[in-house]
Amino acid sequence: DTEVTQTPKHLVMGMTNKKSLKCEQHMGHRAMYWYKQKAKKPPELMFVYSYEKLSINESVPSRFSPECPNSSLLNLHLHALQPEDSALYLCASSQKGWDTEAFFGQGTRLTVV
Amino acid sequence: AQSVTQLDSQVPVFEEAPVELRCNYSSSVSVYLFWYVQYPNQGLQLLLKYLSGSTLVKGINGFEAEFNKSQTSFHLRKPSVHISDTAEYFCAVSNGNKLVFGAGTILRVKS
Repeated sequence: DTEVTQTPKHLVMGMTNKKSLKCEQHMGHRAMYWYKQKAKKPPELMFVYSYEKLSINESVPSRFSPECPNSSLLNLHLHALQPEDSALYLCASSQKGWDTEAFFGQGTRLTVV
Repeated sequence: AQSVTQLDSQVPVFEEAPVELRCNYSSSVSVYLFWYVQYPNQGLQLLLKYLSGSTLVKGINGFEAEFNKSQTSFHLRKPSVHISDTAEYFCAVSNGNKLVFGAGTILRVKS
C-alpha cells in the first residue's frame, strides 16, 4: 500500500463553521506534511510532523490547527476560516524526511463561503 | 534557504516530439531534487528524484532528468511525448527538512 488517503475530497464550509480534514497512510512513514495550493500556484508548506511531533509551522494562522493522533493519521482542524483560505489542501508523507521518497494524497478541495 | 526557478510557465509541443522542462535551483547546502506531475484536480505524483550518485536519473512514464551541479540545474526531458503527458510539472528542492516547489510548468501536448 503506497497510498496517502485524504478525506473528504471536497468540502464547503461557512466562515463560522468548524471542520476537519483527515489524512491517513499505512506505509510506516514517520514524517507527515500539510501543504496548501491555491489555483495556478505551487503547493506551499504549512506544517511538518516528524515522529508525531510538530517540527515546522510556517507561520500559519491559528485558525488552522494540525493534529497528529498517531503515526498513521494527520488531521487539520479548521475554524473561522476566510474566503481566501479556499484552496486545495494536500497531505504528504515520507519515511523520515525529504531525503526519502514522499507520497502525496489527492487533496481536499476546500471552499469557504 | 533553497529556491527553485522554473524558466517556462507553459511549454506547447506536438505529440511524439521531444520536450525539455527547465529547472534551476539555489541552495547553500547539499540538496535533493525532485520532479512531480499534477493532473487537473489531482494530487502530486513523483516522477523522479535525485538524492545522490548518478547524475542522470530515470523516472516513470519515460521521463529522465540530469543533475548539473555546476549549472545548478535539474532539467526534465522526454524523447517522445504523448497527449496523456499534458499536465503541470513541478520541480522541487529539499535540504532534508523542507520541500520547496518551483512555480510549475504546464506542458500542453498537441495532436
